[in-house]
Amino acid sequence: DTTVKQNPRYKLARVGKPVNLICSQTMNHDTMYWYQKKPNQAPKLLLFYYDKILNREADTFEKFQSSRPNNSFCSLYIGSAGLEYSAMYLCASSPGGLDTQYFGPGTRLLVL
Amino acid sequence: GDSVTQTEGLVTVTEGLPVKLNCTYQTTYLTIAFFWYVQYLNEAPQVLLKSSTDNKRTEHQGFHATLHKSSSSFHLQKSSAQLSDSALYYCALSDRGGSAKLIFGEGTKLTVSS
Repeated sequence: DTTVKQNPRYKLARVGKPVNLICSQTMNHDTMYWYQKKPNQAPKLLLFYYDKILNREADTFEKFQSSRPNNSFCSLYIGSAGLEYSAMYLCASSPGGLDTQYFGPGTRLLVL
Repeated sequence: GDSVTQTEGLVTVTEGLPVKLNCTYQTTYLTIAFFWYVQYLNEAPQVLLKSSTDNKRTEHQGFHATLHKSSSSFHLQKSSAQLSDSALYYCALSDRGGSAKLIFGEGTKLTVSS
């Protein structure tokens, strides 16, 4: 089973409010990724966990937080949502970080 | 910086005819892997093809692609498109020597009509 699950599938948030997105996988993969996808743009990596080590992209370093309480779960946290955060957020996992990434169906976030 | 370019945002083809989706790249990575992901409506992106070997044809589900480092390309082709092939296709490269993060193209929406 190569299923990656994301909750919720749709999220409506108010400007200035926090947002927490959840991803889970049961494949015992070492690495979990979060990508942001906006219309007519390529999916863009935000951050990833290799085991318990968090790596955040330089240009989004201050905008997103994440936690990985155990191997199966990974969250993406926005402390204060702005309109520019409206996007599809894709979670992916990979065994060992050097192989195929398996994606979840995404969470569509709309900030109003 | 590193980038992947998919020149067509939308491709429409008639069922039974061949289809080609273009993908070119620029990268400074020394060891790279390439992927084609397909995303059907309301579903997760799933890997269709992957390759890291220059000039070797890779095939899956009737699709094929060949990595050509000399022309920095990894085009996706199928000889006979099916209605069920209608989906969003992403080309992506991965740095196999580093974090293995994926760098995606913007995607090509393929519509196969009868």
